[in-house]
Amino acid sequence: ELKVEQNPLFLSMQEGKNYTIYCNYSTTSDRLYWYRQDPGKSLESLFVLLSNGAVKQEGRLMASLDTKARLSTLHITAAVHDLSATYFCAVALYSNYQLIWGAGTKLIIKP
Amino acid sequence: GAGVSQTPSNKVTEKGKYVELRCDPISGHTALYWYRQSLGQGPEFLIYFQGTGAADDSGLPNDRFFAVRPEGSVSTLKIQRTERGDSAVYLCASSLDSSGLANEQFFGPGTRLTVL
Repeated sequence: ELKVEQNPLFLSMQEGKNYTIYCNYSTTSDRLYWYRQDPGKSLESLFVLLSNGAVKQEGRLMASLDTKARLSTLHITAAVHDLSATYFCAVALYSNYQLIWGAGTKLIIKP
Repeated sequence: GAGVSQTPSNKVTEKGKYVELRCDPISGHTALYWYRQSLGQGPEFLIYFQGTGAADDSGLPNDRFFAVRPEGSVSTLKIQRTERGDSAVYLCASSLDSSGLANEQFFGPGTRLTVL
């Protein structure tokens, strides 16, 4: 059974700081997604990571994938208040369509 | 272009009643997914359609839940004899296909179901 664990589940930080969210998964997968969810809103796709060593960056967010360690990270650089949201990682099963989700990391960035 | 839409946005019902939740996927997307999200948790897979057929309904919690997609576009999730434990946000997503890069799933705003 594929399990996906995120940590931390809650993170409060000051603007301007750097931090990393971790996503571990328990079995082989070839695709990992990061999504953002604002309160009361739906899920917005941020990154799709397809291969070992993949790194993608968008603004102050950078995601990476290590398939050997079954680990993905989402790094936040010089955080700003607008990045406050809940961030989810989701891992695709071998069949490609079914996503197994982490519990989410609620990120609060204080001005 | 239009994204995934879901109606209603909120639904309050009484225990034991029947509800239908509707999803309009992005035009041209052949794959459609239903998820359920409880407060403070990640989405939980319910069912996946490829075209008109339910390719995988292994996530449906029991036989009170049923979903259809008769013309390969709009889908309806149907819940019979609702229970308080069914209260959650029901999310619909669609993707161009179900494999490869086309698998990126785009989510609708969700329907918040409250069973009193």
